[in-house]
Amino acid sequence: GNSVTQMEGPVTLSEEAFLTINCTYTATGYPSLFWYVQYPGEGLQLLLKATKADDKGSNKGFEATYRKETTSFHLEKGSVQVSDSAVYFCALNTGFQKLVFGTGTRLLVSP
Amino acid sequence: EAGVTQSPTHLIKTRGQQATLRCSPISGHTSVYWYQQALGLGLQFLLWYDEGEERNRGNFPPRFSGRQFPNYSSELNVNALELEDSALYLCASSLSRVHGNQYNQPQHFGDGTRLSIL
Repeated sequence: GNSVTQMEGPVTLSEEAFLTINCTYTATGYPSLFWYVQYPGEGLQLLLKATKADDKGSNKGFEATYRKETTSFHLEKGSVQVSDSAVYFCALNTGFQKLVFGTGTRLLVSP
Repeated sequence: EAGVTQSPTHLIKTRGQQATLRCSPISGHTSVYWYQQALGLGLQFLLWYDEGEERNRGNFPPRFSGRQFPNYSSELNVNALELEDSALYLCASSLSRVHGNQYNQPQHFGDGTRLSIL
């Protein structure tokens, strides 16, 4: 079946550090891939997406590249801020509009 | 542009009761989705409605049901509530699949309804 695996959290970083959150997937066909972010007490916000191999999604300094050969979609940011503290979810959509989510990775950024 | 709105924000019920959760999609979106975010279980797909019809259903019992109205808003009904139904219920909306590749339409989420069962 379709699944998404994310690295366990929490990820704890100091402000301005480099961020990587790993995400790998298993899917039939050619999924679209997404990163969503959830701030405390809120719903999910779409952070970025990629719809085909080698696409790079980017937004607010975050980037992720769709790697078909390694079935990965790792999230990166060059310099994190305290305001980036949140839970990040990797997700895929293979059709029938059913998003399959990873378990989420909590990011804690300290000043 | 107004985002996806959900009501109520919080809902407290007791076992055996029924709960009704409501969702208004982004203007122009005809697809509505429901997800359950339960502690320890992550985000699970519940239901997808598109243009008034149920299009897909997740692995949940029949006491989870819903509908979509002509204005594309949606209700999620949970009957015979059980303690394990306590969760954050998230609604999302997107453009319909008829507007392009259905895989690419991102889903935009509301802030959720927190359902607590006592």
